[in-house]
Amino acid sequence: EVQLVESGGVVVQPGGSLRLSCAASGFTFDDYTMHWVRQAPGKGLEWVSLISWDGGSTYYADSVKGRFTISRDNSKNSLYLQMNSLRTEDTALYYCAKAVGATIQDYFDYWGQGTLVTVSS
Amino acid sequence: QSVLTQPPSASGTPGQRVTISCSGSSSNIGSNTVNWYQQLPGTAPKLLIYSNNQRPSGVPDRFSGSKSGTSASLAISGLQSEDEADYYCAAWDDSLNGLVFGTGTKVTVL
Repeated sequence: EVQLVESGGVVVQPGGSLRLSCAASGFTFDDYTMHWVRQAPGKGLEWVSLISWDGGSTYYADSVKGRFTISRDNSKNSLYLQMNSLRTEDTALYYCAKAVGATIQDYFDYWGQGTLVTVSS
Repeated sequence: QSVLTQPPSASGTPGQRVTISCSGSSSNIGSNTVNWYQQLPGTAPKLLIYSNNQRPSGVPDRFSGSKSGTSASLAISGLQSEDEADYYCAAWDDSLNGLVFGTGTKVTVL
């Protein structure tokens, strides 16, 4: 059974940093592209970032480019999102999502339950 | 950055057919496949339709998808109470070099 379990969400002050983690199980982690997607309270879905199966390619939404860094450790079946220079508008539930394949345009077939990041003073 | 436009809401009585539109551009829907996700209240999104019109195993056949040019549609026929949810379209955008989601549509069963 595929499982994606996010962690690391907390309350942080504007300008602060945070690292989110996603522990994956039930599939061969290093065969798939992985994504982060976020959802602000009461709002829609916003794609944040993706990383290729081998970590060699990364893509970011303009809203987080230069502030967030996606990474993965295939030996630990884990996905990460390093978030720096946080802003109040980064407040959201952050989901880890598995792509159906290794192509960057592939759709998501599994989602985690999310971890809540609150940026507030 | 929602560059795919959906109506904010749609509704119908049980058994009716409801259609949700998703309007994009040549750089996203016009050149890539569209996928749809269903988000039930308080839960994570779930894949509903992939590659414009394909249903994953377990998704009822009352859900169907289509695409024409720079627009796509999701249809729910034989609407049921458990279909009350938010629905999002998504596609890769070649200009932004990223994934874009639709603005989302809340479906209410009257």
